[in-house]
Amino acid sequence: QKEVEQNSGPLSVPEGAIASLNCTYSDRGSQSFFWYRQYSGKSPELIMFIYSNGDKEDGRFTAQLNKASQYVSLLIRDSQPSDSATYLCAVNRAAGNKLTFGGGTRVLVKP
Amino acid sequence: GAGVSQTPSNKVTEKGKYVELRCDPISGHTALYWYRQSLGQGPEFLIYFQGTGAADDSGLPNDRFFAVRPEGSVSTLKIQRTERGDSAVYLCASSLNLHTGELFFGEGSRLTVL
Repeated sequence: QKEVEQNSGPLSVPEGAIASLNCTYSDRGSQSFFWYRQYSGKSPELIMFIYSNGDKEDGRFTAQLNKASQYVSLLIRDSQPSDSATYLCAVNRAAGNKLTFGGGTRVLVKP
Repeated sequence: GAGVSQTPSNKVTEKGKYVELRCDPISGHTALYWYRQSLGQGPEFLIYFQGTGAADDSGLPNDRFFAVRPEGSVSTLKIQRTERGDSAVYLCASSLNLHTGELFFGEGSRLTVL
C-alpha cells in the first residue's frame, strides 16, 4: 500500500463546474496535509495546507480533512481551463519532516 | 534570481558515468530537499538538509547516491555509476517556514541515462 494514494485521472470537468479530488494516506501519525499544483513540464507549487479536521477555504479552493478516515480532499469551484494541471497531495508527520507525495490527479477543464 | 536555481537543466549521460546536480536555494532558506520525479509519478523524497547536516536521508535508493551541503546553502546531489533506472527529473526545493510545509521548488534537472 502506498503511503499517499490518489486517483491518477484524468478528471475531466466542464468549465464552471466543481472539480473534486480525493487523497487517502496510510500513516495515522500524519499531522499536516498539503495540495500542490503542477503544470505540465513545470515544478510543483503549493495551493493550500490544512492541519485540522474540517474545511478550509481559500478563494475557489476548499480543502477538507477527515483524520479518522485518513482522507483529505480538494474542491475547485468554478473550474477554469487554467486549472488544468496535475494536483499532488502531500503529507508529513511533523513540522520540519519530509513531505510524502501521492502520485497526483490530472485534471482537465474543458471550455 | 529570487527562486531556487538548479543546474544543469538537462543532462544526458552514459550508463556507468558519474553525475553531479547542483541546487542553489532561496537566500535565507535553511531547509533544502531533494526529490526525484519519474514520468506520471509524484515526487519521491530522497534527502533533506537542515543547515549543513542531512536531517533525513532515508529516501536515497542506494549507496550510489550522495548529497552534500557543506556551507548550508548550495547543495550537490552526486550519482555514481549511473544506471538507466536513474533517469528522472531531480527536483530541489527549499523552505523557510517548516510549519507550513511550503516548499519552493526549482525547475528540476532532467537526467537521461543512455
